[in-house]
Amino acid sequence: DSGVTQTPKHLITATGQRVTLRCSPRSGDLSVYWYQQSLDQGLQFLIQYYNGEERAKGNILERFSAQQFPDLHSELNLSSLELGDSALYFCASSVGGRARGTGELFFGEGSRLTVL
Amino acid sequence: DQQVKQNSPSLSVQEGRISILNCDYTNSMFDYFLWYKKYPAEGPTFLISISSIKDKNEDGRFTVFLNKSAKHLSLHIVPSQPGDSAVYFCAASESAAGTASKLTFGTGTRLQVTL
Repeated sequence: DSGVTQTPKHLITATGQRVTLRCSPRSGDLSVYWYQQSLDQGLQFLIQYYNGEERAKGNILERFSAQQFPDLHSELNLSSLELGDSALYFCASSVGGRARGTGELFFGEGSRLTVL
Repeated sequence: DQQVKQNSPSLSVQEGRISILNCDYTNSMFDYFLWYKKYPAEGPTFLISISSIKDKNEDGRFTVFLNKSAKHLSLHIVPSQPGDSAVYFCAASESAAGTASKLTFGTGTRLQVTL
C-alpha cells in the first residue's frame, strides 16, 4: 500500500461526457503528479501540483484540467471525452519542497477510464 | 519525442538466471534515474535509483548500472525469481533546486521469469 488513494478505480462513460478523478496523496506529501497510461504506452506526464500551485505541465490536453486543494488532495477533470481518452490515469505524490529526498514518487493504483 | 527509451518490450528469463533490462535516454540534463516495477492492476512501485554521480547502485538482488557517456542504464536482477515477473519502467528526472521534479518514463519492458 503506497498510501496514495485514487477514486474511482473504474469508470465507464460515453463520448462527450465529463468526469472527475480524485487523488489523496500520502500523508505529508506536498506534490501531486498525474500520469496517463494508454494501451501499450509508457506513463505520460500530464501535470504536477506542489502545495496547491501548478508546478509543471506536460502534454495535457486543453480539455483536461486539474487542481490541488488546501487539504492537498487533487482532482483531474476530463471533459468532452473522446474514445482516445480511454486509459489508466495514475496519481503519484512525493514530499517535494526543499527536501528533495530520493526523488521517488509513490503511485496510487490508478483509475481506469473507458470511453464508449 | 521519447526522451527515455526501453527498446525491448519484453524479456523472458529462466528462474535463477540473470535478467538484464536496458534503458537509453537522450536528455543530457537528466541526473537522477529510477526503476519502477508494475504488477497488473497495481500502480508502479519504486525499485531502485541511481544518481548521476555514481555508476552503480546495488540493493539485494537488484543492481543498476549507469553509463553517462553512452546515456545508458541497465537493471540487473540476480538471481531472477518468478515473483519478479512484471513490467519494469525506467524513469529519469532533472535536478531543480529546492523542488521535486517530475519523472519521465520509458514505455516499459515486460519481464517473464519462467520455471
